[in-house]
Amino acid sequence: DIQMTQSPSSLSASVGDRVTITCRASQGITNDLGWYQQTPGKAPKRLIYAASSLQSGVPSRFSGSGSGTEFTLTISSLQPEDFATYYCLQHNTFPLTFGGGTRLEIK
Amino acid sequence: QVQLVQSGAEVKKPGASVRVSCKASGYIFSGHYMHWVRQAPGQGLEWMGRINPNTGDTNYAQRFQGRVTMTRDTSISTAFMSLSRLRSDDTAIYYCARWDVWGQGTTVTVSS
Repeated sequence: DIQMTQSPSSLSASVGDRVTITCRASQGITNDLGWYQQTPGKAPKRLIYAASSLQSGVPSRFSGSGSGTEFTLTISSLQPEDFATYYCLQHNTFPLTFGGGTRLEIK
Repeated sequence: QVQLVQSGAEVKKPGASVRVSCKASGYIFSGHYMHWVRQAPGQGLEWMGRINPNTGDTNYAQRFQGRVTMTRDTSISTAFMSLSRLRSDDTAIYYCARWDVWGQGTTVTVSS
């Protein structure tokens, strides 16, 4: 199975901060990666697909980059509604696998 | 608009089976794979498998092989996920997902 190592597992930041979350794949997955945001009690919501394409309706402060084994999600200026848990998902190889999640908390 | 609406919460005893439904609307059901993902309390997301609604072909995560069955009924644009021989660690929220759209989740509680 492809392991998706997500870091950090938790992060404290302030409104207006720029934050970066990383996912590292145990083997190359080209750009077959998405980023998801989950708030408590809600289903996940896709932010980024194909590693760097912004999902329709998602604010432009979210961006993704990377290819192969290293991927990043960047939030350019944190807003109060961004405090949530973030997951990456690789869909290159079965079984599809998620990163362990990054919990983004208010400092 | 594109929507996935799941069936309601279930409480089951160990050893029983559960079937969760996921009704799609707002798009051509047969045109998109349907995935199933679960999330145990306080834990991360886990992919269980997917079904091609057009052909009925399935791919399951190895750890669920033999216990999970994914089916669909194209006449009512609905996908189903059945999990058998339930254990307490199957207690989780189960989601169907098209990746860009997710169902609201179905809580399955396994308890004696």
